Amino acid sequence: DAGVTQSPTHLIKTRGQHVTLRCSPISGHKSVSWYQQVLGQGPQFIFQYYEKEERGRGNFPDRFSARQFPNYSSELNVNALLLGDSALYLCASSLSRTSGGSDTQYFGPGTRLTVL
Amino acid sequence: EDQVTQSPEALRLQEGESSSLNCSYTVSGLRGLFWYRQDPGKGPEFLFTLYSAGEEKEKERLKATLTKKESFLHITAPKPEDSATYLCAVQPRYNFNKFYFGSGTKLNVKP
Repeated sequence: DAGVTQSPTHLIKTRGQHVTLRCSPISGHKSVSWYQQVLGQGPQFIFQYYEKEERGRGNFPDRFSARQFPNYSSELNVNALLLGDSALYLCASSLSRTSGGSDTQYFGPGTRLTVL
Repeated sequence: EDQVTQSPEALRLQEGESSSLNCSYTVSGLRGLFWYRQDPGKGPEFLFTLYSAGEEKEKERLKATLTKKESFLHITAPKPEDSATYLCAVQPRYNFNKFYFGSGTKLNVKP
């Protein structure tokens, strides 16, 4: 079975530009989350989407936005890029947002964004 | 405030030398605690989910345990291929849309 896929693998942008990162979840998974991981640190939560609706947002500026499509794939958009946005951007999918129990998240390989 | 702290930051072991990694957490009710393995430049690979204090899970040379305040990842007779960064994450019960990660423990197993 295919895991979580992300594109592109690597991306180089300059300050002020915008970027769109893409994610396809594991088949059957309805929830997608986005994380930013700076070198040497753990992933930091950016967004969670479930059934095309935003269900959670981390402490990131409004330059960061995302959406989920009817096929449950997702895009992360970052506007007005800053040098500090350079990081590994991770997408994770989970089966569902259930009312009880917890949802294991499965991660994709990430997109390495470099802002010059 | 929900928080996860992992220790040590880095650990160097000889092949076959068993040890434990620690994950301490402060969360307003725990819905789940997760362990992941991450190789350089790659996405985290899922290892274990723990739900309640006293629970234990094993996979090959790894065993994860959970108490009300911390979790341990025990590595028995590690091999060089176990070298990686091990991440711990918690999912709060009342804010379950977010996962909070620690900074990880970088494990280096020398042959």
